[in-house]
This record gives sequence, structure tokens and C-alpha cells, in this order.
Amino acid sequence: DTGVSQDPRHKITKRGQNVTFRCDPISEHNRLYWYRQTLGQGPEFLTYFQNEAQLEKSRLLSDRFSAERPKGSFSTLEIQRTEQGDSAMYLCASRQIMTRPSEQFFGPGTRLTVL
Amino acid sequence: SQQGEEDPQALSIQEGENATMNCSYKTSINNLQWYRQNSGRGLVHLILIRSNEREKHSGRLRVTLDTSKKSSSLLITASRAADTASYFCATVPISSGSARQLTFGSGTQLTVLP
Repeated sequence: DTGVSQDPRHKITKRGQNVTFRCDPISEHNRLYWYRQTLGQGPEFLTYFQNEAQLEKSRLLSDRFSAERPKGSFSTLEIQRTEQGDSAMYLCASRQIMTRPSEQFFGPGTRLTVL
Repeated sequence: SQQGEEDPQALSIQEGENATMNCSYKTSINNLQWYRQNSGRGLVHLILIRSNEREKHSGRLRVTLDTSKKSSSLLITASRAADTASYFCATVPISSGSARQLTFGSGTQLTVLP
């Protein structure tokens, strides 16, 4: 257990539905990252937050995706009008930029299946 | 897109043997990290090597980095059945700037047979 939690662990939804995932990082970590991992591949960067500010988005993050970190603590990732291609593991990671440079602590992930 | 490739894609060894995994990457980096992922779970950080380092040890792990060849290797000595997992190298490209997001390879699936 790295101290990063994600909810739910599994989500099955029908195409066209909206889904929302939550990530609770390690409390003193000011950086929070979202990654997506498809089967047999390594994770790919989606977006990251420094405290409550979303500072960068990957081109993988289409306009159906939105992420928030309203108080600089937990974060949510919402996918609107889900498509079958959205099926993947969504991973959250956090780090404290002032102490351990670059090492990220990952949550267990949310596995999304879009039928 | 993936930063690089790992070799082999899959590796099966007997308990007690050493396991070597290789990683190649494409761009200049700040550092390179290795992570482990058990089936269906999140990733666990194993070791970090900076771009100005050539070798690093942590317990049964030994990592080497050759920035001229843009490659790294992870050696796990005296493997155990509990080492069975996927292993990913991840780089922090210089181009990532202050974001420092990780760019992962495609991973090596290691199976250690008891």
C-alpha cells in the first residue's frame, strides 16, 4: 500500500454514459498525476496538478475528459459520453516535489470497462 | 506515446536465478526509474538513477544507465517467486520541464518459477 487510494477499483458502464473516478493522494503531496494504461502497455500521462492548479494536459485527454482537484487534496477524473476505446486502467500518482525528486507513488488504479 | 521499448517482453526463470531486463529510450532524460506492477494493481517504485550516474544498487536490484546508448538494464539477483510481476522503466525527459511526468516503456513480464 503506497498511501494513494482510488475509488472505485472497477467500473463497468455502457457506451455513452458518464463516469467519475476519485483519487486521494498522500496528504502532504502537492503534485498529482493521472495516467491511463491499456492492456499490455505501460501507463501514458494524461494530466497533472500542482496543488489545485491543472498545469498540463496530454493530447490524449480529449474534450470528453475533465479533471479537477478543487482544494488541492483529492482529485476527480470524469469521462463524458464514454466510448469503448476508453476501456483501460486509470492510475493516479502523487509526489512531493520538495523532498523525493521524481519518484511517484501510485494508487491501485480504477479499471474501466465500457460495453 | 511510449518513450521506449523493453526487452525481453516476457522472461521466465527458475527461483534463485538472476533476471536481466533491458530498456531503451528515445530522448534526453533527467533520470530513469524502474517500477514494478503486480497483475491488475498499481505501480511500485523500485529504484531511480540520475542521468549523471552509471550504476546503482538497492538490495537485490542493480541498475545501469548508458546515456550514450540511451539504454538501461535492471538486474534482479537471486530471484524469488514473489518477484513475479511486470517491470517498467520510466524516464523523466528533459523536455517534460517542471511537469516531470513519467514516460513509460512497454514493460517486461517476469515469471519466476518455484
